[in-house]
Amino acid sequence: QSVLTQAPSASGTPGQRVTISCSGASSNIGSNAVNWYQQLPGTAPKVVIHNNNQRPSGVPDRFSGSKSGTSASLAISGLQSEDETYYYCSAWDNSLHAYVFGPGTKVTVL
Amino acid sequence: QVQLVQSGSELKKPGASVKVSCKASGYSFRTYAMNWVRQAPGQGPEWVGWINTHTENPTNAQAFTGRFVISLDTSVSTSYLQISSLKAEDTAIYYCARESPAGYADFWGQGTLVTVSS
Repeated sequence: QSVLTQAPSASGTPGQRVTISCSGASSNIGSNAVNWYQQLPGTAPKVVIHNNNQRPSGVPDRFSGSKSGTSASLAISGLQSEDETYYYCSAWDNSLHAYVFGPGTKVTVL
Repeated sequence: QVQLVQSGSELKKPGASVKVSCKASGYSFRTYAMNWVRQAPGQGPEWVGWINTHTENPTNAQAFTGRFVISLDTSVSTSYLQISSLKAEDTAIYYCARESPAGYADFWGQGTLVTVSS
């Protein structure tokens, strides 16, 4: 049972905007920064958004993040076929003294 | 360039121990903490813990206390994750990942598959 909650799937057609949500609590998202990781099959996770809305160099500006209260969102605009994979949210939890991850959302490009 | 290179896949019997290594290069090893993350088949990542590479003090998540030990050998810029009394449910890919000062894992190893089976 994950501490953070994500819908198992999301989908869109090429060029569309897809939004993935992550719900937590005051001890994690409500108090700390949210990071989003993309994981392609057979590879390690890779950060696409850190500190709620910061995009590391090399990540396309199609990816954006936001946070409000105890929820966060990752948006992918101009959806492309290479965006089809799993996305995980993560945050530090002050009660557990640990990083926690969501169960992941599979994005499908129709 | 920053690289984290992990040891190869392991097949172990229940009750045995395993030690996974993660050799860092391309940066000052003692400047960044090192995370360890577990990912069971078909599941999301779970944070095992991390180690302060300056003080060599490890911290484990509550679910990973007792059998999981994170350590370092700074002379060879390598972090280790040792798991004892292996159980079938420990079967997973284990990743090391460097902790960025901004509070996220910015570089990851390629992962080490640990399979526990009789």
